[in-house]
Amino acid sequence: QKEVEQNSGPLSVPEGAIASLNCTYSDRGSQSFFWYRQYSGKSPELIMSIYSNGDKEDGRFTAQLNKASQYVSLLIRDSQPSDSATYLCAVMGGNKLVFGAGTILRVKS
Amino acid sequence: NAGVTQTPKFQVLKTGQSMTLQCAQDMNHNSMYWYRQDPGMGLRLIYYSASEGTTDKGEVPNGYNVSRLNKREFSLRLESAAPSQTSVYFCASSEAGYEQYFGPGTRLTVT
Repeated sequence: QKEVEQNSGPLSVPEGAIASLNCTYSDRGSQSFFWYRQYSGKSPELIMSIYSNGDKEDGRFTAQLNKASQYVSLLIRDSQPSDSATYLCAVMGGNKLVFGAGTILRVKS
Repeated sequence: NAGVTQTPKFQVLKTGQSMTLQCAQDMNHNSMYWYRQDPGMGLRLIYYSASEGTTDKGEVPNGYNVSRLNKREFSLRLESAAPSQTSVYFCASSEAGYEQYFGPGTRLTVT
């Protein structure tokens, strides 16, 4: 069983819509959670980190964490074509970061 | 600040050849990491160094060695390259437990 699970997609949303990306993890002791964006041929870029239950907002991005359900999500409001990328969920287990395989997001103009 | 830098950007090797991938960071981070990324497999940890002078195996260490040369530099060595090591290699750095920042990557092809 993979430690961090994401739907591979692609998730297609129209421009201006809300994109919702989801991630589940298996290690109940995990304390740190991250979302990275990766454009094709580029390196992962950190967009959000979240450490406690609830919501954390940064511009058009909102990360949501529910430790009881072992669930992390990323909402992108007013999606733009430039948001089209692969989104990687990462969970800190011990002192190592475990990545999901990523969800491909396509924003259609 | 350059952040995390990696050299080379691209490399083609023949089976059995050796090479070293270089990584340096200027963010004064204690921890550094080497990952490989293959289609459909996500990022997999090869080796990491929690602090200067220490290194530990990750998920896929076979066929690789590392050296933490100093606080800034962390190198990855392939002693005898195999086609299965064709991949994109990323170096990252962080303060322990916090966000990791990635270099631009090295695309390696082994023929």
